[in-house]
Amino acid sequence: GAGVSQSPRYKVAKRGQDVALRCDPISGHVSLFWYQQALGQGPEFLTYFQNEAQLDKSGLPSDRFFAERPEGSVSTLKIQRTQQEDSAVYLCASSLLGGQNSGANVLTFGAGSRLTVL
Amino acid sequence: AQKITQTQPGMFVQEKEAVTLDCTYDTSDQSYGLFWYKQPSSGEMIFLIYQGSYDEQNATEGRYSLNFQKARKSANLVISASQLGDSAMYFCAMRESGYSTLTFGKGTMLLVSP
Repeated sequence: GAGVSQSPRYKVAKRGQDVALRCDPISGHVSLFWYQQALGQGPEFLTYFQNEAQLDKSGLPSDRFFAERPEGSVSTLKIQRTQQEDSAVYLCASSLLGGQNSGANVLTFGAGSRLTVL
Repeated sequence: AQKITQTQPGMFVQEKEAVTLDCTYDTSDQSYGLFWYKQPSSGEMIFLIYQGSYDEQNATEGRYSLNFQKARKSANLVISASQLGDSAMYFCAMRESGYSTLTFGKGTMLLVSP
């Protein structure tokens, strides 16, 4: 597609429910990133894929968070047993290149999925 | 320590005026990249401008320019001739050597008034 598509745009979950957030990156983009953005804050890195390989998951806050990208395109971020502190906007971004320190390799972001946990 | 510091929570500017949004960064790497993104109320992060640590010239993209002062570790965004549509959150970000991801600052809210 022309841009990064995320769904759902808004999700309300009761505490303890599992949620799944989908990201459809730009076709052909090798790298895919998930970020968490709390209200009034900058995005915080969660995890990074190069094709189907999850190369960095150092930002995932707990083992309740799980991400996958099985065929190297669409990715899903799953949060199990949601808690109130999980309420945030979850941003997905993709970039054309893989590899570290790839210069001006620009991340293109989706509009985000806003999760509210009651 | 914060890797990206944006000290201005909010800035106000009148239409057609220029505005500078501050960003300082902290890294011991020699090779790194600096980015600015705009986030309007719709939520999508929009890439504005990039500066590589080895670039000798300050980056420019239309009305956006980056005032890069390497010794001071600052990478301020200058928006010339502000427009009402420039009202948004602005984030400075850095990619360090050995990493693919970006580290973001807390952002500056810019409001442009008529």
